[in-house]
Amino acid sequence: DAGVIQSPRHEVTEMGQEVTLRCKPISGHDYLFWYRQTMMRGLELLIYFNNNVPIDDSGMPEDRFSAKMPNASFSTLKIQPSEPRDSAVYFCASSHRGLAYEQYFGPGTRLTVT
Amino acid sequence: TQLLEQSPQFLSIQEGENLTVYCNSSSVFSSLQWYRQEPGEGPVLLVTVVTGGEVKKLKRLTFQFGDARKDSSLHITAAQPGDTGLYLCAGAWGNTGTASKLTFGTGTRLQVTL
Repeated sequence: DAGVIQSPRHEVTEMGQEVTLRCKPISGHDYLFWYRQTMMRGLELLIYFNNNVPIDDSGMPEDRFSAKMPNASFSTLKIQPSEPRDSAVYFCASSHRGLAYEQYFGPGTRLTVT
Repeated sequence: TQLLEQSPQFLSIQEGENLTVYCNSSSVFSSLQWYRQEPGEGPVLLVTVVTGGEVKKLKRLTFQFGDARKDSSLHITAAQPGDTGLYLCAGAWGNTGTASKLTFGTGTRLQVTL
């Protein structure tokens, strides 16, 4: 079975540009999570969805960040405009209801904003 | 904000040695997970503990949940180079059937050399 799929794996962009990160969760999973990982702050939850509905976006750093989940098999995280401090590895994870705390992570997208 | 402190932050040992990693919080968890992350990849779930005092074994890895469900430990016996990686604990709050939001610990970076 395919795991969580993320694209692109690496993204290098200039400050001010729009960045879109994509995620395909494991089929049948009800929850989808977006995390950001940096050396300074570790792994931080940005937002999560249940059945395609955003439940908690309190971790989204500011209005430049937005996330959508138009259907059960696809989600995007958009940064507009991007800034150098957004440079990090962004992970998508999914889980199944009843065991929602057992999350399965994708390989991540390494974002570099210059 | 609930915090999960892990210790030590870094650990470099030789193959065959034993080690213990700790995860502590002032909050009570409904469940606690341990993940291992290798460079360039997302965290991979190792185990979930739910009951205070619970002990789980995964080959050479032994996981224990504190009686008060505020702390946990991971013990590795006869470490091997393949154990190298970043070990993360993550806590969840709320009913185990619905709890989904995880807070990740600060991480322990383990290096096992020949």
